[in-house]
Amino acid sequence: DTEVTQTPKHLVMGMTNKKSLKCEQHMGHRAMYWYKQKAKKPPELMFVYSYEKLSINESVPSRFSPECPNSSLLNLHLHALQPEDSALYLCASSQGARRDTQYFGPGTRLTVL
Amino acid sequence: GENVEQHPSTLSVQEGDSAVIKCTYSDSASNYFPWYKQELGKRPQLIIDIRSNVGEKKDQRIAVTLNKTAKHFSLHITETQPEDSAVYFCAASSNDMRFGAGTRLTVKP
Repeated sequence: DTEVTQTPKHLVMGMTNKKSLKCEQHMGHRAMYWYKQKAKKPPELMFVYSYEKLSINESVPSRFSPECPNSSLLNLHLHALQPEDSALYLCASSQGARRDTQYFGPGTRLTVL
Repeated sequence: GENVEQHPSTLSVQEGDSAVIKCTYSDSASNYFPWYKQELGKRPQLIIDIRSNVGEKKDQRIAVTLNKTAKHFSLHITETQPEDSAVYFCAASSNDMRFGAGTRLTVKP
């Protein structure tokens, strides 16, 4: 398996909802990432997990909560989001070091009403 | 931290012409420079990359050049085709990868 997969593809949620985004890879990669991408902008790094430990949190609001249950899975828990959080959320993985080639999942298109 | 600048922001070429996108970076410790292509509504896909011990790399119609002294690198696409139309992002990585702002390439048939 040479792909990063993400579910769901689309998500619409209200500001009081709790939802989770899921990411999975079976390439044996030990670093996994969450990015946020707004329209016509580059991906913006949110979180990095390296060997299942959170190593970077780029000053992301606490309404976003990452979780790495094992080396193949990465979750992003969402709670009390704002309309400005609407974006494409991309997961990526790389072999080991954060400077390695990153492979992206297809993303989850999130709309917050 | 690393800062990556990318130019131009938009580029329109005629099918068959060449396209060049340029990026500069600030962190001299950066040693890995990937280029991603992102079609509308799709994921960024790696198209070519270069490491700092190499000055140039080519893969069919796509080439990347790196000038470490000047801290800039460029993407060259020859014989462009309409399916090359997309947004292209450069990135530079020392400890972490930082993206340029992107170039929207349009290839007119």
